[in-house]
Amino acid sequence: EPEVTQTPSHQVTQMGQEVILRCVPISNHLYFYWYRQILGQKVEFLVSFYNNEISEKSEIFDDQFSVERPDGSNFTLKIRSTKLEDSAMYFCASSLTVELFFGSGTQLSVL
Amino acid sequence: QKEVEQNSGPLSVPEGAIASLNCTYSDRGSQSFFWYRQYSGKSPELIMSIYSNGDKEDGRFTAQLNKASQYVSLLIRDSQPSDSATYLCAVNRSGGSNYKLTFGKGTLLTVNP
Repeated sequence: EPEVTQTPSHQVTQMGQEVILRCVPISNHLYFYWYRQILGQKVEFLVSFYNNEISEKSEIFDDQFSVERPDGSNFTLKIRSTKLEDSAMYFCASSLTVELFFGSGTQLSVL
Repeated sequence: QKEVEQNSGPLSVPEGAIASLNCTYSDRGSQSFFWYRQYSGKSPELIMSIYSNGDKEDGRFTAQLNKASQYVSLLIRDSQPSDSATYLCAVNRSGGSNYKLTFGKGTLLTVNP
C-alpha cells in the first residue's frame, strides 16, 4: 500500500542551526502539507503546497520556515535558526483530494 | 478562529462495549469531516470520513454527522484493547487549492480487557 515516507525519524540539533526535514509523498498525490505536534498538544497546520507553490500557510509558518519540492518526488521543510520552541513532531501529509495521509513523522529536538 | 473541540478524556470502556467519541466544530463552512486514530508517538491514521448528514458505517466504526448542530461523532462497537489510542476529529473547509485539515486536540480512549 502506498505511504508517505519521512526522513529522518529523529533529528537533534543545536539552537540556531538549520534543519531540513524530508518527505516523499504518495506518488499520484497532488497536494502536500506539513503539520507539527508539540508534545501533548494538537496537530497544527503549518503549510499546504500545490502546483509548485504554497497555497496556504499558518501564522506559525513565518520567515524561519520554507518548503520546497526540488524534484518530482521529494517535499522538504527547512527550518532556519532553530529555537527551543521548534521542538516537536513534524508530520508530512499528502492528498489526492480531501483525504490526507500522514507520514510517520520526524521528531525534532532543539537543544 | 476556527475551532474543533473534543473532550480530552480519558474515556475508559470495558472490552466489548461501545465507545462514543464526540466533536463539535465552529466553522459552518466546513464540508468534510474525518476521524483519525493516533497511537502514542505515532502519526495520525485515517479511519473514517463523512461528508453528508447521517450515519456512515465501516466495520465496527460508525461516524455520525449533524451539520445543523455542528456535531460529529464516532462510535466504536465491540471495543478491543487494540482500539486504545487518541482519536482526533478533523474538519476541512473544501475549496481553493488545498484541503487543509483543522484538528481537535483528541480524545484518549482506553479499552480495558
